[in-house]
Amino acid sequence: QQQVKQSPQSLIVQKGGISIINCAYENTAFDYFPWYQQFPGKGPALLIAIRPDVSEKKEGRFTISFNKSAKQFSLHIMDSQPGDSATYFCAASISTNAGKSTFGDGTTLTVKP
Amino acid sequence: DSGVTQTPKHLITATGQRVTLRCSPRSGDLSVYWYQQSLDQGLQFLIQYYNGEERAKGNILERFSAQQFPDLHSELNLSSLELGDSALYFCASSAQQGIITGELFFGEGSRLTVL
Repeated sequence: QQQVKQSPQSLIVQKGGISIINCAYENTAFDYFPWYQQFPGKGPALLIAIRPDVSEKKEGRFTISFNKSAKQFSLHIMDSQPGDSATYFCAASISTNAGKSTFGDGTTLTVKP
Repeated sequence: DSGVTQTPKHLITATGQRVTLRCSPRSGDLSVYWYQQSLDQGLQFLIQYYNGEERAKGNILERFSAQQFPDLHSELNLSSLELGDSALYFCASSAQQGIITGELFFGEGSRLTVL
């Protein structure tokens, strides 16, 4: 069964700290790895995404690190802010139909002021 | 605002009943995806439609069905409802089949409670 395993389930970080969320996948055919951010009462929204031809992608305070050999990827949130408090989902898909994604179970991030 | 509209936002019904969830994709988006989010779980892909045709199927129960209409809105029909069907049902849309960017635009979901 295709799975994406995400950890930790919940994370508490002080304002200004670094939040790190990890994901591991099994299907080597996956070639598109997005992260989604979801606030309570809202649908998930794309935050940042990476393809396996690069090992790192940075957008502002958000960075994805990708390790193809280990089949792992992670989200780093630098200088975490209370407004970053949300649930984060990693996902993986095959780019021929990248909308059909396999999602991790989510990480609830709380950033304390 | 993602531009994807889902109705109803909340729905409470009894076991054995049938409900219909509706989704209007972003203007111009041809692909519609349905996802189920159960308590404390990630999103599970159910089914995808592209320009009116079924394109991909996930772990969708036989009691569930969907369709996409000529105006591109989609409906997810859930029948013979069981307690375990209680969940958030999300609709998402993308410009094409999601080949280029894979970016999905999600609606705010329909919360179904089966009593």
